[in-house]
Amino acid sequence: AQSVTQLDSHVSVSEGTPVLLRCNYSSSYSPSLFWYVQHPNKGLQLLLKYTSAATLVKGINGFEAEFKKSETSFHLTKPSAHMSDAAEYFCVVSVYSGYALNFGKGTSLLVTP
Amino acid sequence: DAGITQSPRHKVTETGTPVTLRCHQTENHRYMYWYRQDPGHGLRLIHYSYGVKDTDKGEVSDGYSVSRSKTEDFLLTLESATSSQTSVYFCAISDPGMGPDTQYFGPGTRLTVL
Repeated sequence: AQSVTQLDSHVSVSEGTPVLLRCNYSSSYSPSLFWYVQHPNKGLQLLLKYTSAATLVKGINGFEAEFKKSETSFHLTKPSAHMSDAAEYFCVVSVYSGYALNFGKGTSLLVTP
Repeated sequence: DAGITQSPRHKVTETGTPVTLRCHQTENHRYMYWYRQDPGHGLRLIHYSYGVKDTDKGEVSDGYSVSRSKTEDFLLTLESATSSQTSVYFCAISDPGMGPDTQYFGPGTRLTVL
């Protein structure tokens, strides 16, 4: 079965410093992997998607993620955090059956001035 | 933003009452999904639809039913609401032509069962 594990439930960074949100995946197939972001009391917004075309995926708002098959990881990074990045981030894998998604439990990113 | 609306956006109801949540899309996407979001669990799939009148169960389908009589509408029904169904419910859509597993989410419905 396809699943993801987000290794940190909370991450705190200072504004202007790098962001690293960690995700490991488990999949029997070559997976489709996603990162979604949810700002407080808002819906979910797609940040980026990996579909095997390239291992380094660039998303919106300066985020990117690197697919590492040897490490079964799909970590999300950003070179410099902005206050507006404070949100909940979800690592997600497609389960193929009906193209449904399995979500990680989320990582809450706090950005301090 | 994808053309997805959910109604109602907020609802408070009592245990044992029936509740129906509506998801409406203007994108003519084939697939529609219902998820619930609870603290510490991320989002979990309740039911999904792969076409009009074609639905299937997800991970947490007990206590829920769905119907899809038109492409644009996907209804989620709690036949007899329980306190454990207090949650935020999200609808999502996707389409084979857009990458079938790329889902776009509605704004959510916050349901409280007293």
